[in-house]
Amino acid sequence: DTEVTQTPKHLVMGMTNKKSLKCEQHMGHRAMYWYKQKAKKPPELMFVYSYEKLSINESVPSRFSPECPNSSLLNLHLHALQPEDSALYLCASSQDPGRRTDTQYFGPGTRLTVL
Amino acid sequence: AQTVTQSQPEMSVQEAETVTLSCTYDTSESDYYLFWYKQPPSRQMILVIRQEAYKQQNATENRFSVNFQKAAKSFSLKISDSQLGDAAMYFCGFQWGAQKLVFGQGTRLTINP
Repeated sequence: DTEVTQTPKHLVMGMTNKKSLKCEQHMGHRAMYWYKQKAKKPPELMFVYSYEKLSINESVPSRFSPECPNSSLLNLHLHALQPEDSALYLCASSQDPGRRTDTQYFGPGTRLTVL
Repeated sequence: AQTVTQSQPEMSVQEAETVTLSCTYDTSESDYYLFWYKQPPSRQMILVIRQEAYKQQNATENRFSVNFQKAAKSFSLKISDSQLGDAAMYFCGFQWGAQKLVFGQGTRLTINP
């Protein structure tokens, strides 16, 4: 089972709203990732959690706030977003963050539109 | 910095024929890992094939195979007997440490029936 699930599939929010994206995996993976993907572009890494601790933050604006409540769950809290933040947000997980050959498995993404 | 280049923004192939997608990368690292992911219209990134840099033998997964030329820093993907379900955006990925994965700009593959 290499399934990563993400909810919601689509989200429309105003610039003053607060919303959250959710990601879940039950593969026992110990690393989880958030990527942002604009149309016709490759995914860009935002955050990495290893063993439930934030290990990488790629200089993402503070209006994006990640949270890893446990090893299976990853949230991305959104507040005061801008229209340019509209994108596909992908979650991924991998088994062993300390292993060089660790492979990431992706969820289906959340399509976010900021009005 | 590690860079990945996919020089073909778009490719098309007739169903049942073979197509090769190119990927080159630039790195000073000696130990790394290479991937091809596909992203169909459903948007999910699906792992197609992977190759460890220290392995000389090219990886294969059913109809998918790679031609890994380490000295030339080239990692092309060959799809044999193309099927309609192969239509997708294909991303070449380079991983040089745990969690450090960077993608090329992608190649959109169209399969003509």
